[in-house]
Amino acid sequence: AQKVTQAQTEISVVEKEDVTLDCVYETRDTTYYLFWYKQPPSGELVFLIRRNSFDEQNEISGRYSWNFQKSTSSFNFTITASQVVDSAVYFCAPQGTSGSRLTFGEGTQLTVNP
Amino acid sequence: EAEVAQSPRYKITEKSQAVAFWCDPISGHATLYWYRQILGQGPELLVQFQDESVVDDSQLPKDRFSAERLKGVDSTLKIQPAELGDSAMYLCASSPGSRGSTEAFFGQGTRLTVV
Repeated sequence: AQKVTQAQTEISVVEKEDVTLDCVYETRDTTYYLFWYKQPPSGELVFLIRRNSFDEQNEISGRYSWNFQKSTSSFNFTITASQVVDSAVYFCAPQGTSGSRLTFGEGTQLTVNP
Repeated sequence: EAEVAQSPRYKITEKSQAVAFWCDPISGHATLYWYRQILGQGPELLVQFQDESVVDDSQLPKDRFSAERLKGVDSTLKIQPAELGDSAMYLCASSPGSRGSTEAFFGQGTRLTVV
């Protein structure tokens, strides 16, 4: 079973600021996956990234970057030069390989103001 | 681009009535999930199918909820009778992986309001 904590319930920034969303997870699986999803006001969940627990390399995709620290069970997400369109709820979700449900956190509501 | 289709988008029903939601996953995806998302919370898995078989329904309130995926393609989730606490967004997702440890693609959801 997995558990995830997204301690930041709401974050508000001004456009072009950098913002980091925190994610701390718990799992008993030795091999697992970590996901980030974005949920805009329209409601659908949009996949952002999937990371294997064996791969601790940080990843950058455009303005998005992810910092995976297995030693502290954290998988933080940074948006550089935020834009108004980044406003959404962001979910971190671990997934075991023995069981395949995604376990979602409570989410972080990000508001980017112009 | 292939999408997960859900209908209806919105549903208002009275307490004690029956309600059903439909999901058509991306073609070829073997794994199908139904999640429930209560306002202000993260989605929670209700049921997971691998082809036509249920592989995880541990969180499904089986006294009132049922789900089927008869031909291993589209799926229906039913609630009978609906209760006020069932008001939520019901999200369907699919993934190609045989054991589900791959990216899940989500539909736009059905927002249910029970009055």
